[in-house]
Amino acid sequence: ELKVEQNPLFLSMQEGKNYTIYCNYSTTSDRLYWYRQDPGKSLESLFVLLSNGAVKQEGRLMASLDTKARLSTLHITAAVHDLSATYFCAVEASWGGSQGNLIFGKGTKLSVKP
Amino acid sequence: GAGVSQSPRYKVAKRGQDVALRCDPISGHVSLFWYQQALGQGPEFLTYFQNEAQLDKSGLPSDRFFAERPEGSVSTLKIQRTQQEDSAVYLCASSSLALQETQYFGPGTRLLVL
Repeated sequence: ELKVEQNPLFLSMQEGKNYTIYCNYSTTSDRLYWYRQDPGKSLESLFVLLSNGAVKQEGRLMASLDTKARLSTLHITAAVHDLSATYFCAVEASWGGSQGNLIFGKGTKLSVKP
Repeated sequence: GAGVSQSPRYKVAKRGQDVALRCDPISGHVSLFWYQQALGQGPEFLTYFQNEAQLDKSGLPSDRFFAERPEGSVSTLKIQRTQQEDSAVYLCASSSLALQETQYFGPGTRLLVL
């Protein structure tokens, strides 16, 4: 059974600081996704990571993937209040009868304070 | 173009009532997924359609849950004899294919069973 674990689950940051969210998964997978969810809203796709060593950056967020370690990281640089949200990593189930459904972590609730 | 839409956005049901939740995927998207998101948790897979065919329903929690997509576009998730534990946000996602394509999520239907 594929499991996805994120840590920390809660993160309170000061503006201007850097931090990293970690996502571990339990079996091989071809793709890893990062989504953002604002309170009461749906999920917004941030990054899709396709291969070992993949790194993608958008603004103050940078995601990386190490398939050998089954680890992805989401690094936040010089946090601003607008980044406050819950961040989910998800891994695509692509074996047996699975047809690409996503297995999500529990999410990391990020709060950026002035 | 329009994204994934869902209706109703909010639904309050008395225990034992039947409910029907609608999803309009992005036009032309072949794949459609339903997820259930409990409060404070990540989404959990319910079922998957490729066009009108329901290829995976392994995540449906009981036989009270039923989904259909008769013409390969709009989908309906029906819950019969609702129970309090069915209270959650039900998210629909679509993608142009199944495997290895980003899933785009709708705003969700928040179901509260009293």
